[in-house]
Amino acid sequence: NAGVTQTPKFRVLKTGQSMTLLCAQDMNHEYMYWYRQDPGMGLKLIYYSVGAGITDKGEVPNGYNVSRSTTEDFPLRLELAAPSQTSVYFCASSLTGQYSYEQYFGPGTRLTVT
Amino acid sequence: AQSVAQPEDQVNVAEGNPLTVKCTYSVSGNPYLFWYVQYPNRGLQFLLKYITGDNLVKGSYGFEAEFNKSQTSFHLKKPSALVSDSALYFCAVRDAGGYNKLIFGAGTRLAVHP
Repeated sequence: NAGVTQTPKFRVLKTGQSMTLLCAQDMNHEYMYWYRQDPGMGLKLIYYSVGAGITDKGEVPNGYNVSRSTTEDFPLRLELAAPSQTSVYFCASSLTGQYSYEQYFGPGTRLTVT
Repeated sequence: AQSVAQPEDQVNVAEGNPLTVKCTYSVSGNPYLFWYVQYPNRGLQFLLKYITGDNLVKGSYGFEAEFNKSQTSFHLKKPSALVSDSALYFCAVRDAGGYNKLIFGAGTRLAVHP
């Protein structure tokens, strides 16, 4: 199993540009999540999904959009990038069911918006 | 409001000495608690969790954590630190809203010196 994969690893955007961060998992997990990590701030939840076609906002959703057309894929879209979106982005997934509460993380995408 | 606090930005310990990384939480209902580790330029790796049962939980790489309900704490411990344990450690609690969402602390950087 590859686990949770993310592409690209690094990206530099100019203000106003758009891009999609890709996330895929091969563990057949129903739940998927997008976080951003800023220094000294821990991880903040952007969006999450509980299954194909079902998404919901997390703590910091402004400026982002998501979709979930398959169980495996959960892309994150930045429509009009702003310098405040400079961060490291992590995708994660989790099983449903009793005692399967932990999340499994991808390697991250480091995004710089200039 | 649900929250996780990691009161120390950094913990320094000599190799071979015991280490403790502190975590306190605030959550309604029974807490589901987690520790993750992040090595430089990597994603988060799951270390251990407390769901129910024995207050001392054992996890990966020789780490353990002690759940203390009266003190609302979940401190991470290891009897003998290794230089390779140097990393960023995150405590997290399951969001009472479900779907295995996690609320993270800000993280504690552990530095183990030879």
